[in-house]
Amino acid sequence: NAGVMQNPRHLVRRRGQEARLRCSPMKGHSHVYWYRQLPEEGLKFMVYLQKENIIDESGMPKERFSAEFPKEGPSILRIQQVVRGDSAAYFCASSPYRQGKGTEAFFGQGTRLTVV
Amino acid sequence: AQKVTQAQTEISVVEKEDVTLDCVYETRDTTYYLFWYKQPPSGELVFLIRRNSFDEQNEISGRYSWNFQKSTSSFNFTITASQVVDSAVYFCALSETNTGFQKLVFGTGTRLLVSP
Repeated sequence: NAGVMQNPRHLVRRRGQEARLRCSPMKGHSHVYWYRQLPEEGLKFMVYLQKENIIDESGMPKERFSAEFPKEGPSILRIQQVVRGDSAAYFCASSPYRQGKGTEAFFGQGTRLTVV
Repeated sequence: AQKVTQAQTEISVVEKEDVTLDCVYETRDTTYYLFWYKQPPSGELVFLIRRNSFDEQNEISGRYSWNFQKSTSSFNFTITASQVVDSAVYFCALSETNTGFQKLVFGTGTRLLVSP
């Protein structure tokens, strides 16, 4: 049973380009969470999605960032017109339930975005 | 608002020493979960433990132990007989059940350096 899969592991973008980060949840999981880790900092919640729905995007920057989790396929975190400050590690987590029922919080290995 | 404080930015020990990583949290909820994660130099997040607010029993897993004290809002983590492989950044995190199980608030992390 594969864990949460994120790709790419490393992504380099020039300022002004778009970055697309993908997250395939664990099998049977229909809830996805994205977090951002700025250099030398802890992780900060960005957005929580269920299949085809955004449940909580309170941590998403108002501009340039968007996320989706379609009925089929991985969840995508999209950053348009990237700036140097977007350089960070982006982590995805998945769960089968909205409320915890003995589930553990498993994260993917992260995507490290570098904006040059 | 929820908050997690890890006051120790970096700790250096020599192999076989015991070390305790402190975690203090703030929440207004009576039901919540506390977590510890390890982030080795390779960058992934490794789940270590989840504890709910109703279970104040201390837990031991091999060389790892956790001391949860509701009275002081602390959830400290002790590594006994540390090893070089324990070198990593350790994060404490908190979630409140009404925000969804995986919406975590992380501390800023404690970097542990274990030298031979």
